[in-house]
Order: sequence, then C-alpha cells, then structure tokens
Amino acid sequence: QKEVEQNSGPLSVPEGAIASLNCTYSDRVSQSFFWYRQYSGKSPELIMSIYSNGDKEDGRFTAQLNKASQYVSLLIRDSQPSDSATYLCAVRRLNSKLTFGKGITLSVRP
Amino acid sequence: EAEVAQSPRYKITEKSQAVAFWCDPISGHATLYWYRQILGQGPELLVQFQDESVVDDSQLPKDRFSAERLKGVDSTLKIQPAELGDSAMYLCASSPRTSGTYNEQFFGPGTRLTVL
Repeated sequence: QKEVEQNSGPLSVPEGAIASLNCTYSDRVSQSFFWYRQYSGKSPELIMSIYSNGDKEDGRFTAQLNKASQYVSLLIRDSQPSDSATYLCAVRRLNSKLTFGKGITLSVRP
Repeated sequence: EAEVAQSPRYKITEKSQAVAFWCDPISGHATLYWYRQILGQGPELLVQFQDESVVDDSQLPKDRFSAERLKGVDSTLKIQPAELGDSAMYLCASSPRTSGTYNEQFFGPGTRLTVL
C-alpha cells in the first residue's frame, strides 16, 4: 500500500460546480496534512493545511480530515477554469519528512 | 513578499557532465529541502538541512549527488556525472523550523533539468 494515495483522475467538472479531491494515507500517526496546487510546468503552491479532525475553510476551499478513516479531502466550491491544475496531497508525521501523493489533475470546463 | 529563489530555471546538459543548482530560502527559515519531481509524480525528498547540518539525506544518491549549505542560508545541489534518468524538476523548499506539527513548506520555482 502506498503511503499517500490519490484518485488517479483526471477529474473534470463544469464551471461553477464543486470539485471533490480525495486522499488516503497509510500511516496512522500522521499529524500534518497539506494540499498543494501545481500548474503545468510550475512548482507546488501551498493552498491548505489541516491538523485536526473536521473541516477547515478558506475562501472557496474546504479541507476535511478524518484521522480515524485516514483520509483527507479538498473541496473547491464554485470551480473556475483557473482552478485547472494538479492537486497534490502531502502528509507528515511529527518531526518527519513530508510524503506526497502522485497528484490528481483537475480540469474545469467553461 | 518573501519567496524561495532558485537558479537556473532551466538547464540542458549532456550525460556525464556536471550540473549545479542554487537555492536561497525565505529569510529566517532554518530548514531547507531539496526535492526531485519526475513528471506525473509527487515531489520526493532528496535532502533536508537544519541550518548548515544535514538532517535527512537517506534518498540522496550519494555516488553522484552532493548538497551543501555552508553558512546555513543558501544551498547548492550538484550532480556529477549527470545521467539520462536525472531529467526531472528539482525543487527547493524552506520552512521556519524542522520539528513541530505546524511546519509548512514553501517551494521555489524549481529548476527543470534535461539530460541528453
């Protein structure tokens, strides 16, 4: 089992819809969870971090964490064509390295 | 706005040649990371520095890769000799500290390496 798994995608949604991106992880003692956005040919950009069970909202983005089920998700409301990118889930144990998933490519259709 | 700086942005080299990448972290960030990202994959850590000391280099191919951060500020990653399989994006990131839960990492623009 891979340490961090993301749906392979790609995911395509119409403009204005909610995009739901999921990520599961294998290490039960993971404590920090991050979502990065990466446009084609560019470097990853941190868009959300979450550390406690539940939801965390920032503008159109909501991160959801369920440690018991070992998954973290990212919801993008009112999706825009500018949201089209690859989204990387990253997980970290306390005082350990950051482990990334392969990413899922989101395409928002105008 | 504070950013991680990297140079060069693009590098094309022939196999068996030496290449070097430079990174300047966000001012005040004690921890610096070098990652390699192959197309279609997530970044993988090559080496992590806390100030000038190496904290983790377990995934660094030490027969050909070396990294240093002599004064605990900027850093250089070197490959000698380069191989075809080294073609990838090399990313530098920094964070305020190594330990603790709330330790967000911020990436520079990366160096795209192509080995011919």
